[in-house]
Amino acid sequence: EPEVTQTPSHQVTQMGQEVILRCVPISNHLYFYWYRQILGQKVEFLVSFYNNEISEKSEIFDDQFSVERPDGSNFTLKIRSTKLEDSAMYFCASSEQGADTQYFGPGTRLTVL
Amino acid sequence: DAKTTQPPSMDCAEGRAANLPCNHSTISGNEYVYWYRQIHSQGPQYIIHGLKNNETNEMASLIITEDRKSSTLILPHATLRDTAVYYCIVVNTGTASKLTFGTGTRLQVTL
Repeated sequence: EPEVTQTPSHQVTQMGQEVILRCVPISNHLYFYWYRQILGQKVEFLVSFYNNEISEKSEIFDDQFSVERPDGSNFTLKIRSTKLEDSAMYFCASSEQGADTQYFGPGTRLTVL
Repeated sequence: DAKTTQPPSMDCAEGRAANLPCNHSTISGNEYVYWYRQIHSQGPQYIIHGLKNNETNEMASLIITEDRKSSTLILPHATLRDTAVYYCIVVNTGTASKLTFGTGTRLQVTL
């Protein structure tokens, strides 16, 4: 069964450093999403992406965040200058169409020291 | 998207049916009811969704009341591996819709 994959599973970085989280969505899916979950808190929407453009973003998704589909298979989330409060699980999801079921990857645990 | 209300926690004996309720009294006509679960800190796992009719798949059944103001997710024979947080989410299907997660119901399956 096709699934969303994410790498790395755990990323440790120093405050102020740039990180790139990678996702490979399900191959025939056209819509891509990033969510995050701070330890002990709710899963929060960050951004949705379709046709090489951001469809919607939350207020969390400020100028330090960016997303890109650099090739036909990867979808990335870049955090330009990490802060302590960026420490969280980051989940990628994809759906075939915008209104379809979203399937999530296993997540990347980001730890900012 | 309509807000949902779920009990914070429930217990279920292994082998018994787990019935997880959800209230969504402000749901509108073009909004689906989706259920996901999250085991530990893993990625949310899709379970089932429906609009107005009851639905069943290999994982669960979804019962939606006639007025659509509430629904129940049924795991027919709960196992220890079903211990997780279960989220009921109402989704507007008109556009690429973000999922708005609440705090869900923490289901504990016990021996």
